[in-house]
Amino acid sequence: GAVVSQHPSWVICKSGTSVKIECRSLDFQATTMFWYRQFPKQSLMLMATSNEGSKATYEQGVEKDKFLINHASLTLSTLTVTSAHPEDSSFYICSARRGGYNSPLHFGNGTRLTVT
Amino acid sequence: AQTVTQSQPEMSVQEAETVTLSCTYDTSESDYYLFWYKQPPSRQMILVIRQEAYKQQNATENRFSVNFQKAAKSFSLKISDSQLGDAAMYFCAYRSANSGNTPLVFGKGTRLSVIA
Repeated sequence: GAVVSQHPSWVICKSGTSVKIECRSLDFQATTMFWYRQFPKQSLMLMATSNEGSKATYEQGVEKDKFLINHASLTLSTLTVTSAHPEDSSFYICSARRGGYNSPLHFGNGTRLTVT
Repeated sequence: AQTVTQSQPEMSVQEAETVTLSCTYDTSESDYYLFWYKQPPSRQMILVIRQEAYKQQNATENRFSVNFQKAAKSFSLKISDSQLGDAAMYFCAYRSANSGNTPLVFGKGTRLSVIA
């Protein structure tokens, strides 16, 4: 069964509004979660590394003020797309490692965001 | 920085036949992991197979096997007895093993079609 739950699966919002995406690790604690973005017919690009109890680490070119990440507990990380624009429309996927550093990453089912 | 290259945007295979997907990577590290992920139309990321760089033996998972050539930095995936359910996007991915909880770096993907 799924070990990482992501919600919502899809969301449509208007330009200028904010959208929050949740990523939960089920029955395990994840001190680190990774957020990826995938544009149509493209690969997954790492946006940021979410660290429990501390600030997220953003990849170059990703606006930290636009993509707010909060990792307030060991089982939940949230990504908030603030003041969304149509170009933010994409597929957002979170992932977490269940177990030690040698363990594989598990992915959420992703969130399809459409900004109109 | 590490990079992963998949030179085949699309591939097709007849049902029950064998197909090989190519992947090369660039790294200066000696300790790392390599993965193949499958992404069907549902967009769920599914781990197909993984390889530890320190292991010379090629990983095998049922109909899926890899040809890992460390010196050549090549990591191809062979799918035997292809099935219709194998049709998906396949991503090759790299992860450093040198420090802590590192993210995956993905190639651009290969879309595999299976012809009945």
